[in-house]
Amino acid sequence: SQQGEEDPQALSIQEGENATMNCSYKTSINNLQWYRQNSGRGLVHLILIRSNEREKHSGRLRVTLDTSKKSSSLLITASRAADTASYFCATGLGAQKLVFGQGTRLTINP
Amino acid sequence: SQTIHQWPATLVQPVGSPLSLECTVEGTSNPNLYWYRQAAGRGLQLLFYSVGIGQISSEVPQNLSASRPQDRQFILSSKKLLLSDSGFYLCAWNGQSANYGYTFGSGTRLTVV
Repeated sequence: SQQGEEDPQALSIQEGENATMNCSYKTSINNLQWYRQNSGRGLVHLILIRSNEREKHSGRLRVTLDTSKKSSSLLITASRAADTASYFCATGLGAQKLVFGQGTRLTINP
Repeated sequence: SQTIHQWPATLVQPVGSPLSLECTVEGTSNPNLYWYRQAAGRGLQLLFYSVGIGQISSEVPQNLSASRPQDRQFILSSKKLLLSDSGFYLCAWNGQSANYGYTFGSGTRLTVV
């Protein structure tokens, strides 16, 4: 069963703008993770936020987690053409069985 | 540093033929290993995971099987491929702690014809 659901399914913005993607999930989690996938490639781990954390930063990435609403958001600031990719949230209860959402396809237009 | 190798990158196989995809991890010991499948434009579906040699958990009943003959080797197999087995297969690993992300291989694009 799918745990995380990303919104929107697709997002197209101009280079330099900020991109925000949202993720909702249904059950208790230990952590929530975001991944990037370039077309036809494997996934790359971006950031992990634990259930007792509310916000985390990594470079131009900012992730928030609201466990009361069972939701998370990924903000990419000052977007670049190289950020064009699909972004997935994934939820984990233990060390195994990470469950992925359907992803958001992000397109950065020059 | 840890690396993960997955091959082949692409594979075209006829219906009814066998399948063997291999994944190996270097630079770590006792990893958790995973096989995921991704349909076109979709999310990832967990197929199998393994926490140790010979220990395989199956998430979705299907035409596939997995084996872990060595600590850092994970193999996905089928005796007879179906058209519905087509997809993008990804191997991944992580450590025993729940607080680290997965590292994915580069994937195998399987087309069953």
